Amino acid sequence: GAVVSQHPSWVICKSGTSVKIECRSLDFQATTMFWYRQFPKQSLMLMATSNEGSKATYEQGVEKDKFLINHASLTLSTLTVTSAHPEDSSFYICSARERSENRGSRDYGYTFGSGTRLTVV
Amino acid sequence: AQKITQTQPGMFVQEKEAVTLDCTYDTSDPSYGLFWYKQPSSGEMIFLIYQGSYDQQNATEGRYSLNFQKARKSANLVISASQLGDSAMYFCAMREDNYGQNFVFGPGTRLSVLP
Repeated sequence: GAVVSQHPSWVICKSGTSVKIECRSLDFQATTMFWYRQFPKQSLMLMATSNEGSKATYEQGVEKDKFLINHASLTLSTLTVTSAHPEDSSFYICSARERSENRGSRDYGYTFGSGTRLTVV
Repeated sequence: AQKITQTQPGMFVQEKEAVTLDCTYDTSDPSYGLFWYKQPSSGEMIFLIYQGSYDQQNATEGRYSLNFQKARKSANLVISASQLGDSAMYFCAMREDNYGQNFVFGPGTRLSVLP
């Protein structure tokens, strides 16, 4: 089945530094990548949608200069949290949509990464 | 207005019994998909079951079944023969096929299976 590899699974960084999170589709081409943030005991909130080769579309209230998204290829999308602060500490998870939805796949064209737990100290 | 409502923040069920997790949704898109995901403490999102808005029959996937009542806009998840490993957060989600196609998640229900 489709697999999305997300790294790192957890990271601790100092306030003011930047952190890059990678999501890589291993056996399919991801035309669209969705990035979510999840605070403790809360649901997933969509941050941005990125399409390969074009600028990401950010949800209202998400700072595009702080959360840099790059989707340079059909198999790789990155989220960089710039000048991280403790309030950015959260669980970040990506979801990839296949180039052509394979209705035979259990995820019906969407596959989630395993998530990254970011702690900013 | 919230698009996905899960009214049960927490549920308890005895091992081997069945449990129903509630989900109601709101959309004006005639074409949409409803999903249930399980999120254990490790954080990964595990796909459980899918129901398309045009599907005539309720979806089933092993011990999981989806009670789809379109007129009521509800998509409840039924887990039969609960196991200790079923303890986790469960999220109902919707994808509107004509409105961006991203997922909208409900607030989740924490299920605890008791031995």
